[in-house]
Amino acid sequence: EAEVAQSPRYKITEKSQAVAFWCDPISGHATLYWYRQILGQGPELLVQFQDESVVDDSQLPKDRFSAERLKGVDSTLKIQPAELGDSAMYLCASSRTSSYNEQFFGPGTRLTVL
Amino acid sequence: AQKVTQAQTEISVVEKEDVTLDCVYETRDTTYYLFWYKQPPSGELVFLIRRNSFDEQNEISGRYSWNFQKSTSSFNFTITASQVVDSAVYFCALSDATDSWGKLQFGAGTQVVVTP
Repeated sequence: EAEVAQSPRYKITEKSQAVAFWCDPISGHATLYWYRQILGQGPELLVQFQDESVVDDSQLPKDRFSAERLKGVDSTLKIQPAELGDSAMYLCASSRTSSYNEQFFGPGTRLTVL
Repeated sequence: AQKVTQAQTEISVVEKEDVTLDCVYETRDTTYYLFWYKQPPSGELVFLIRRNSFDEQNEISGRYSWNFQKSTSSFNFTITASQVVDSAVYFCALSDATDSWGKLQFGAGTQVVVTP
């Protein structure tokens, strides 16, 4: 069964350091999403890609966060510098199209900023 | 603006009891999609169901059933004869044309605890 892959599963870093997360969507899925989930809350969309283009990054803190999907397949989300408030679960999801298809989620990366 | 409200923070039941999770949504669009996801302790969100705004038929899948009522903007989820493996956080989510199609607006989630 095809799955969304993410790495690392866990990351502990100190504030002011740079961190990067990787996501490999299900093969053939054109749309890729990055969500942030703070403990006790629902996921919130950070950025949405359609192939290699950004469709929505309105909630991405662009002063410290960046995301890319250079070849329209896998994607990297970076935080530089990390802040204490960035501690959260970072979830990647993919779907066939961006219209209304269900999104399939990866296992997430649990980030702890000390 | 789109909004999803899951008023129940946590529900505790004993195995074999039924449990109903409430979901109320707000949207100005006439075309929209509603979803339920399950998040077990492992953390991965598992897709359960998608329903479009034009299909108000209730749906049953095994022990799961969903009741969609546009008149009250609700999309409630019932687990019949709960099992310990049903223990998880359940999220209701909405997708409409606000901002961009595909963006899921999640509720805060309901923690379900099933004890033997």
